[in-house]
Amino acid sequence: DAGVIQSPRHEVTEMGQEVTLRCKPISGHDYLFWYRQTMMRGLELLIYFNNNVPIDDSGMPEDRFSAKMPNASFSTLKIQPSEPRDSAVYFCASSEYVRGEQYFGPGTRLTVT
Amino acid sequence: AQSVTQPDIHITVSEGASLELRCNYSYGATPYLFWYVQSPGQGLQLLLKYFSGDTLVQGIKGFEAEFKRSQSSFNLRKPSVHWSDAAEYFCAVGETAGANNLFFGTGTRLTVIP
Repeated sequence: DAGVIQSPRHEVTEMGQEVTLRCKPISGHDYLFWYRQTMMRGLELLIYFNNNVPIDDSGMPEDRFSAKMPNASFSTLKIQPSEPRDSAVYFCASSEYVRGEQYFGPGTRLTVT
Repeated sequence: AQSVTQPDIHITVSEGASLELRCNYSYGATPYLFWYVQSPGQGLQLLLKYFSGDTLVQGIKGFEAEFKRSQSSFNLRKPSVHWSDAAEYFCAVGETAGANNLFFGTGTRLTVIP
């Protein structure tokens, strides 16, 4: 398996623009997680899905953030409008079992100017 | 509430020396415990995990960790560090009941000097 795939790997955008991050989980994994990593706050869980259904979105910082999982092989994290403080590395991870280990993608480095 | 503490922000060791990275957790029951490693510009890779059973667990790349319930600790060890081990290491705890998410520590950056 190719592992968790994320795109783009790098994104530079201007404040106010819409940003869409994409993730393809490992086939057969029923759980998908979105994390954000910054120097100040470390690794934070934003939201996770089970069988394409959002289970816990309490980590989503603001209404500007939204996430969808239209099918088992694709998820998006959207920021609209983006702000400089959204600059971070965003990771997607997936897991097979309800409490199994999570496999991380390579991340998307977002810079908002 | 669950929490994970990695008291060492940065550790420097000489190549060939032994290594121990500390991790303490706060959780009401026996948690699931993980160690992940992150190389620069990369995602997190699982080193090892503890779910139950033998409290000494072996992982990839020669790492091991020991779960000590009495100390609420899950320290990571390696007898002889290689230069390629330089990276950021994260301890994480998962609940045995309730939500399926992991709680990560703030990480320990390991520098290896020749």
